[in-house]
Amino acid sequence: DGGITQSPKYLFRKEGQNVTLSCEQNLNHDAMYWYRQDPGQGLRLIYYSQIVNDFQKGDIAEGYSVSREKKESFPLTVTSAQKNPTAFYLCASSMTISAEAFFGQGTRLTVV
Amino acid sequence: AQKVTQAQTEISVVEKEDVTLDCVYETRDTTYYLFWYKQPPSGELVFLIRRNSFDEQNEISGRYSWNFQKSTSSFNFTITASQVVDSAVYFCALRDSWGKLQFGAGTQVVVTP
Repeated sequence: DGGITQSPKYLFRKEGQNVTLSCEQNLNHDAMYWYRQDPGQGLRLIYYSQIVNDFQKGDIAEGYSVSREKKESFPLTVTSAQKNPTAFYLCASSMTISAEAFFGQGTRLTVV
Repeated sequence: AQKVTQAQTEISVVEKEDVTLDCVYETRDTTYYLFWYKQPPSGELVFLIRRNSFDEQNEISGRYSWNFQKSTSSFNFTITASQVVDSAVYFCALRDSWGKLQFGAGTQVVVTP
C-alpha cells in the first residue's frame, strides 16, 4: 500500500543522546516535511525539503538535523542540543507545491 | 513572514448545532495555498480541503463548508448539524510559493450528545 511510514511509533532515549526518527514514503512525492507537536499545541515546522539533496529550516530547526539523500526518505535527527525534545513528531509529504500533504502516524519521543 | 491564526482554542457544542472555525492568515505572496486538516484522538492528520489563492469559490462537502475571503484573509470552516464523530482538533494551514507549509495552533471541537 502507498503511504508514509514513520518508525518507531514510540521511542525512549536518555538525555544527552542523539536519536534519529525515520520517515519513508512510497508515493513518489517531491516534498517532505517534519513537524513537532506538543500537548495541546499546533504543528510547528522543523525542516522541509522540496527536492532531493536540498532542504530548508522551518520555524524551530535549532537542535535538529535532516538529510534528503533519497526521494523517498527524510530522516530527522534530534540532537543533544535540543533542550526539550520530548514531543510528538509528524512527517508529511506532498506531490507538488499546490497539493495537499499526507501525514504519517507520528513518532512519540520521550527523553528521560 | 507568513502566519496562520486560529483564535478559537476550544469550541463546545451540543450535537446537531452548527459550529464555525475561524482561520486568518498573513502572507506577502500572491500565490499561496490554504488547507484544513482534522486530527482525531488517534493523532493522525486527515486532509479535508485545499484552496489556492486564485480560487475564492466557496465549497460544500456534505455537512462541511468553507468560506474563503481574500479581502479579509480568512478561510473559515463550518460544520453543519455537528455529530459526536466531529470531535477532534481542526487545523488550518498555509503553504507559500516556496513550499513552506505552516499550521495554525488548531481548534479543539467538542461535540456532546
